[in-house]
Amino acid sequence: AQSVTQLDSHVSVSEGTPVLLRCNYSSSYSPSLFWYVQHPNKGLQLLLKYTSAATLVKGINGFEAEFKKSETSFHLTKPSAHMSDAAEYFCVVSDRPGNTGKLIFGQGTTLQVKP
Amino acid sequence: GAGVSQSPSNKVTEKGKDVELRCDPISGHTALYWYRQRLGQGLEFLIYFQGNSAPDKSGLPSDRFSAERTGESVSTLTIQRTQQEDSAVYLCASSLGGKQPQHFGDGTRLSIL
Repeated sequence: AQSVTQLDSHVSVSEGTPVLLRCNYSSSYSPSLFWYVQHPNKGLQLLLKYTSAATLVKGINGFEAEFKKSETSFHLTKPSAHMSDAAEYFCVVSDRPGNTGKLIFGQGTTLQVKP
Repeated sequence: GAGVSQSPSNKVTEKGKDVELRCDPISGHTALYWYRQRLGQGLEFLIYFQGNSAPDKSGLPSDRFSAERTGESVSTLTIQRTQQEDSAVYLCASSLGGKQPQHFGDGTRLSIL
């Protein structure tokens, strides 16, 4: 079965410093992986997706993630945090290859950005 | 608008009542999904519709939960005889299918008194 584990439930950074949100996955096939962001009282917004093309994936708002098969990781990074980045971030794996099918969500990481 | 639309945005009801939640997907999206998000947790898959195929109901937590979709348009999630543990945000998503990503609505916040 496919699963994702977000290694930190809460990350706090200062504005202008780098962001690292960690995610490990488990999959019996080459997975489709995603990062979504959820701002308070809002729906989910797709940040980026990996679907077996380039291993370094660039997303919106300056975020990127690197797929590392040897480490079964898909960590999310950003060089410089903005106050507006404060939100809940979810690492997500697709249930099945090819078709996206249902999504399996990690428990989420709350990103706090301090001025 | 161009996004996934859900209604109502908030619903408060008494335990034991039935509720109906609505989702309008993005036009042309063949796939539609329902998820539940309990407070402080990630999303749990409930049900998935893809075109005219039989829906994947593997995530429905009990027979009190059901969902319908008319063609490739509106979907309704119904919860009968609501319980307090049903309190959550119910999120709908749609996609073009294949490897296309899912686009989420803002959700319906359901509170059972």
